[in-house]
Amino acid sequence: NAGVTQTPKFQVLKTGQSMTLQCAQDMNHNSMYWYRQDPGMGLRLIYYSASEGTTDKGEVPNGYNVSRLNKREFSLRLESAAPSQTSVYFCASSVGDGELFFGEGSRLTVL
Amino acid sequence: QKEVEQNSGPLSVPEGAIASLNCTYSDRGSQSFFWYRQYSGKSPELIMSIYSNGDKEDGRFTAQLNKASQYVSLLIRDSQPSDSATYLCAVKVSGGYNKLIFGAGTRLAVHP
Repeated sequence: NAGVTQTPKFQVLKTGQSMTLQCAQDMNHNSMYWYRQDPGMGLRLIYYSASEGTTDKGEVPNGYNVSRLNKREFSLRLESAAPSQTSVYFCASSVGDGELFFGEGSRLTVL
Repeated sequence: QKEVEQNSGPLSVPEGAIASLNCTYSDRGSQSFFWYRQYSGKSPELIMSIYSNGDKEDGRFTAQLNKASQYVSLLIRDSQPSDSATYLCAVKVSGGYNKLIFGAGTRLAVHP
C-alpha cells in the first residue's frame, strides 16, 4: 500500500527556476492538499482540491499553481522560485472527513 | 490573527504526568476539530477528532471541545517519552469545502 507518494523528496533550485512537485494517492480519496511547513509556522495550506476538477486557494497561494490532473494526482508548480519558497512541502489526501493522509514530504531549497 | 492558535512550547512534562495542550480558533462556524502528532522529520498523523462539545476519550488521549469559547484541548495521561513530538491542532473551516487549517503546533517533551 503506497498511500500518498510525493516526488521528488529533495530538490535544490536557483532563484527564478521552475519546477513541479508531483503527488499521487492510491486510496480513491476525493480531496487532496498541498501544505508547506516552515520552522515555527506549522502547516500552512497552499492549495487544495475538494474533488476532481476543482481547486481552491489556501492561506499562502502566491507564487504557486496547482493542477488536479485526475482523481489520483495533484501537482504543485513553482513558476519562478524564490528563496522564500524554501520549505518542506507535504501533499495529503482525504475522503473529506478531516482525516488527512500525508506523503513523506519534499524538501525544497531555493538558492 | 491566525485562524488556529497554539502555544509553540516546548511543553516539558515528567514521565507519567498529564500533558495538556491547548488550541483556540477564530471561525465560529467550524464544526470539526482534529489533533495530529508529528515526530521530528516525519509526516503528521491523526490521533484524535472531535465534533461535539465535551470530552472524547481514546486510550490515554482525551480531546475536549468548547465551541462557545472556541477552544480545543488535548490531554495525554501517563505521558511517555515516546509521546515527545509536535502536536498540531487542525480545524475544518466553514465556507470552504473540506478546507483544513492547522495551528503552528506545540512541541511536547516528556522526560524520564
